[in-house]
Amino acid sequence: SQTIHQWPATLVQPVGSPLSLECTVEGTSNPNLYWYRQAAGRGLQLLFYSVGIGQISSEVPQNLSASRPQDRQFILSSKKLLLSDSGFYLCAWTIGVLGVGSPLHFGNGTRLTVT
Amino acid sequence: AQSVTQLDSHVSVSEGTPVLLRCNYSSSYSPSLFWYVQHPNKGLQLLLKYTSAATLVKGINGFEAEFKKSETSFHLTKPSAHMSDAAEYFCVVSDPGRYGGSQGNLIFGKGTKLSVKP
Repeated sequence: SQTIHQWPATLVQPVGSPLSLECTVEGTSNPNLYWYRQAAGRGLQLLFYSVGIGQISSEVPQNLSASRPQDRQFILSSKKLLLSDSGFYLCAWTIGVLGVGSPLHFGNGTRLTVT
Repeated sequence: AQSVTQLDSHVSVSEGTPVLLRCNYSSSYSPSLFWYVQHPNKGLQLLLKYTSAATLVKGINGFEAEFKKSETSFHLTKPSAHMSDAAEYFCVVSDPGRYGGSQGNLIFGKGTKLSVKP
């Protein structure tokens, strides 16, 4: 069966420090991968998605970036964190055409607090 | 434009009583619809999905939802609430009309927090 791993679970970082969050999927090949951010009371915001190695699409311009160095690995990064980057970050995957009977499967998330 | 509205930000029920979480959507096409549940500091777990088959969809943990095209609704119900049902619930609509393909075209509601009193 497929599983998704996301780490770390929690992270406290000072303003201006770098960020690296990692997500890996097991048990499937060529998944579509996603990074979402969830801020309190504001629902889920799609940040990046990837349909293949090296293919990254950004939904929201900001100081975050994403990379997909391997088929089942998705990394969220920042060179300098801002206070507004605090939130709950979720990685997700799907196979096939998103939404046409293909739901998203989420990791357990990373709680990022920028101080 | 596609949208999804969860009509209640917070619902409180007593254990053993029915649960109703309301969701209305707007879509230009025949949508796929999903309900997800999120426990505190956890990821979202899929409860059920509607993809133009049967209009009454059964999910995990005794939840079900009915797709009503005439009312553009997809309300989530459960006959008897359990303490472990306390969580936040998200209604999600997928519309292939904007992107097609496998890009990010899910629209999330803002969530309904369900409290269950003993």
